[in-house]
Amino acid sequence: ETGVTQTPRHLVMGMTNKKSLKCEQHLGHNAMYWYKQSAKKPLELMFVYSLEERVENNSVPSRFSPECPNSSHLFLHLHTLQPEDSALYLCASSQGTGGSPQGYTFGSGTRLTVV
Amino acid sequence: AQKVTQAQTEISVVEKEDVTLDCVYETRDTTYYLFWYKQPPSGELVFLIRRNSFDEQNEISGRYSWNFQKSTSSFNFTITASQVVDSAVYFCALSGVWTGNQFYFGTGTSLTVIP
Repeated sequence: ETGVTQTPRHLVMGMTNKKSLKCEQHLGHNAMYWYKQSAKKPLELMFVYSLEERVENNSVPSRFSPECPNSSHLFLHLHTLQPEDSALYLCASSQGTGGSPQGYTFGSGTRLTVV
Repeated sequence: AQKVTQAQTEISVVEKEDVTLDCVYETRDTTYYLFWYKQPPSGELVFLIRRNSFDEQNEISGRYSWNFQKSTSSFNFTITASQVVDSAVYFCALSGVWTGNQFYFGTGTSLTVIP
């Protein structure tokens, strides 16, 4: 149990589908993140939420839409994705957006395949 | 520019051998943090260690040790007497105070320990 739970663990979707990834943390953290992990590439930061406000959006295509209804939950809504969007999507949380003593706590990720 | 380089893409060692994972970083920050994370096959990134830029003392934790050298901008990670359970992808990461504390990850080193 990592403290950050992501569902689903695996997702296969067509390019015309709409789906959502869910992330939940019960660590009392006030910042949450979405990262994309593609093969042979560094982890890419997608979105940062601090105190439920989006503080960073790293030029992510609009087909990815985040939502943070409260400090414990983070969603990533997906629509009209492309095959190159297939990747492992990792959620993380932290206390503050800085380099806290324990760094980030990551979830196990959602393995997304776009067909 | 903020950058983390892990030149070793894949390493294989026989159980009980020592192995060193290299990490070289670039930053314009004078205050920054360096991290190592382990990603086992289950997917989640597990925090291993955090060092700040003012503390160059090497650290040992069981079979793990870290060598931080500002002069060469390196933060290398050594596993002594490797075990099969050490098989994973290891990521080095950088977070700088003056760059919004965003994490910059390397591309990771995949370690396979052969029994």
